[in-house]
Amino acid sequence: GNSVTQMEGPVTLSEEAFLTINCTYTATGYPSLFWYVQYPGEGLQLLLKATKADDKGSNKGFEATYRKETTSFHLEKGSVQVSDSAVYFCALSGFSGGYNKLIFGAGTRLAVHP
Amino acid sequence: GAGVSQTPSNKVTEKGKYVELRCDPISGHTALYWYRQSLGQGPEFLIYFQGTGAADDSGLPNDRFFAVRPEGSVSTLKIQRTERGDSAVYLCASSLAGREREGQFFGPGTRLTVL
Repeated sequence: GNSVTQMEGPVTLSEEAFLTINCTYTATGYPSLFWYVQYPGEGLQLLLKATKADDKGSNKGFEATYRKETTSFHLEKGSVQVSDSAVYFCALSGFSGGYNKLIFGAGTRLAVHP
Repeated sequence: GAGVSQTPSNKVTEKGKYVELRCDPISGHTALYWYRQSLGQGPEFLIYFQGTGAADDSGLPNDRFFAVRPEGSVSTLKIQRTERGDSAVYLCASSLAGREREGQFFGPGTRLTVL
């Protein structure tokens, strides 16, 4: 079936370190891929998206490239800040038979310390 | 403009009681979704409305759960005979019709605790 797998957390980094959070997916059809972020005490926010293969989504210094050949959508940031501490969710939609629902991974908690 | 709003933000109830959770989507968004997020997990889809009708309710766990959207705007998720396992954060999201591939916009959620 359709699913998303992301690396387990927590991920603990020092400020200005490089970040990668892995995400792979299984889907029928041609899904859109998303990263959502949940800051402490806040709701889910759309961070970035990609709607077709080889698209790169980017926002707030974060990037992710839709890799159809490896069914991956890894999240990267070159230099993290303490304010990036949050839970990050990879998600997909637009797969065959479920065009409108989002399927989420379990989330990866990122903790950045000074 | 205003985002998705949900009320109440917290709801504590006793096992067996009935609860209603309300969602007010972004103005003009005809697509509305409900998800449930258990502790330490990603949100799980419950139901999707396009306008007034439930286009996909395949995620509702059983017949104790029901949702309505009578005028195509505000939606209410209704849970009958609540059980402790229903405790979770219930999230509502909305999107523009035909623009679902661009993402959904989420409200802050209602934290439901069933004692």
